[in-house]
Amino acid sequence: QVQLVESGGGVVQPGRSLRLSCVASGFTFSSYGMHWVRQAPGEGLEWLADIWYDESHKDYADSVKGRFTISRDNSDNTLYLQMKSLRVEDTAVYFCARDRSYGSSPSWMDYWGQGTLVTVSS
Amino acid sequence: IVLTQSPLSLTVALGEPASISCRSSQSLLHSGGYNFLQWYLHKPGQPPQLLIYVASDRAPGVPDRFSGSGSGTDFTLKISRVEAEDVGVYYCMQGLQTPPMYSFGQGTKLQIK
Repeated sequence: QVQLVESGGGVVQPGRSLRLSCVASGFTFSSYGMHWVRQAPGEGLEWLADIWYDESHKDYADSVKGRFTISRDNSDNTLYLQMKSLRVEDTAVYFCARDRSYGSSPSWMDYWGQGTLVTVSS
Repeated sequence: IVLTQSPLSLTVALGEPASISCRSSQSLLHSGGYNFLQWYLHKPGQPPQLLIYVASDRAPGVPDRFSGSGSGTDFTLKISRVEAEDVGVYYCMQGLQTPPMYSFGQGTKLQIK
């Protein structure tokens, strides 16, 4: 079955960097686009970024463009989110999710991980 | 594209029906004839689960008491008979925009009476 396991969350000071990982199993990772979505405390879901199956195309939400970088390693079945210049308002649970296809829009996410908590605080 | 859900909170007795509305600021009808509107259920401590895609297709394994309808800018998720396991927050999500800028509704919290 499809499984997505995020890691790398923790407490970090404002202005610092953090890299999240998402290990995929149960499907052919290299054939699917992937997404990062977050949920701030008490808030709803916010889409952050997506990446095509072959890393040829990436898109970002305006709120993270220029600060966050999505990438993937198909040989390791791993998705990454490099976050820099972190702000207090980046505090959230970060989910990785599989795209229903190779990544081209229009589209949607069909499977999600459990999420990893990132707390940005001094 | 802004999605507006209503109500934001819903309390329903077991076995009773429930309905959630999602209104989009722009039409979600693609030239291919599909409405790119999805419904997810986020239960506490679990990952969000896809329930409905392209407005009315049930995801694999989703009980048939869940149904989606609508087109253009107005969509509805219906639960024919609410069960205890249906509690959580329901989100609609649009996946039409190109370049991608996926957006979610505010969420509707379903509780059992």
